[in-house]
Amino acid sequence: GENVEQHPSTLSVQEGDSAVIKCTYSDSASNYFPWYKQELGKRPQLIIDIRSNVGEKKDQRIAVTLNKTAKHFSLHITETQPEDSAVYFCAARLQNTGGFKTIFGAGTRLFVKA
Amino acid sequence: GAVVSQHPSRVICKSGTSVKIECRSLDFQATTMFWYRQFPKQSLMLMATSNEGSKATYEQGVEKDKFLINHASLTLSTLTVTSAHPEDSSFYICSARKAGDTDTQYFGPGTRLTVL
Repeated sequence: GENVEQHPSTLSVQEGDSAVIKCTYSDSASNYFPWYKQELGKRPQLIIDIRSNVGEKKDQRIAVTLNKTAKHFSLHITETQPEDSAVYFCAARLQNTGGFKTIFGAGTRLFVKA
Repeated sequence: GAVVSQHPSRVICKSGTSVKIECRSLDFQATTMFWYRQFPKQSLMLMATSNEGSKATYEQGVEKDKFLINHASLTLSTLTVTSAHPEDSSFYICSARKAGDTDTQYFGPGTRLTVL
């Protein structure tokens, strides 16, 4: 069945360094890939997304890249700051004869050390 | 701006009863609202997308008759968990999107449902 694998499960970086989180999806029909950030005890935030007709998207310090051939997409955070510490979830959305399905990764806990 | 509220924040109910959760956009018109659920320390799950004035689009595997979604106005969407059972206990989170803005979702604080 459809699956999204997210790696790593935990990531610790020094403030100012870059962080990269990778997700791999199984269904080539997936065409929308959002990323969510959830700080401890807080509501989620949709921080960036990418559609299958685009290879890269940037928004200030965050960027997402998509490789449709390899069926993987990555979140890149540059110049990390302590407030970037959170759990990040990727997702892949597809539409088939059964309707829509959004499959979420298990999450990556990012620690940014000051 | 762009505040989304949910009511109630917590609810405990008996097995077999129905529970209604409200999601309101307080300072903007939300043409699209989303309903998610999240189990403790687990990932998110998108349940459905609702557009004002039309039927909700449910994700595959979500029981439409069990999770009734109504988006009757541009500021209010409701999720009714019918005949709730303990396995429905979860954190239910809504989000809303402004008209013409396809990049941003504003999330509510969530509702913790416990079914005894």
